Amino acid sequence: DAGVIQSPRHEVTEMGQEVTLRCKPISGHNSLFWYRQTMMRGLELLIYFNNNVPIDDSGMPEDRFSAKMPNASFSTLKIQPSEPRDSAVYFCASSLWVENSPLHFGNGTRLTVT
Amino acid sequence: AQSVTQLDSQVPVFEEAPVELRCNYSSSVSVYLFWYVQYPNQGLQLLLKYLSGSTLVKGINGFEAEFNKSQTSFHLRKPSVHISDTAEYFCAVSGSGNQFYFGTGTSLTVIP
Repeated sequence: DAGVIQSPRHEVTEMGQEVTLRCKPISGHNSLFWYRQTMMRGLELLIYFNNNVPIDDSGMPEDRFSAKMPNASFSTLKIQPSEPRDSAVYFCASSLWVENSPLHFGNGTRLTVT
Repeated sequence: AQSVTQLDSQVPVFEEAPVELRCNYSSSVSVYLFWYVQYPNQGLQLLLKYLSGSTLVKGINGFEAEFNKSQTSFHLRKPSVHISDTAEYFCAVSGSGNQFYFGTGTSLTVIP
């Protein structure tokens, strides 16, 4: 089992640039979650999908953030334009859509916006 | 609504000593409880989970946790810690709708 795969592992970009983070969930999992982790705010849920459909995006900080899941094996989180305050580690996690199924996390993308 | 409280943000402990990391939750419905560990520059890994049945749950790396419904707690314990246990530990609760709620984390530092 390859686990949840995220790319890139590190991203450094300048303010105003577009950033795209990618995630491949575990095969067979039908729920996908995007989290952001910072020292100040801890782990924040940004958005989650069930069967490729966004269920709750209330955690997306503002319109500059968007997420898509075009198929069961791929999701993207896009920030446009990026700002220094977006600097954080972004995690993708997947699970089965059952109540007691645990989340499986990727290793994250560390984003630095200068 | 559900929430998780991890009272201790940092826990230093000497190597081979026992440790307890505290977790309390609030929920008006049945819940499922989890502990995750995060090593530096890595994602969160599942340590153990309580779904139902026995209130004492054993996980990986010698950790265990006890579900206490009356005290709404799910404390994590290890009888003898190792240097390699130094990491961030997160308690989480989920219920209907597959929503997860994470605590703010406890940083465990094992001192040689």
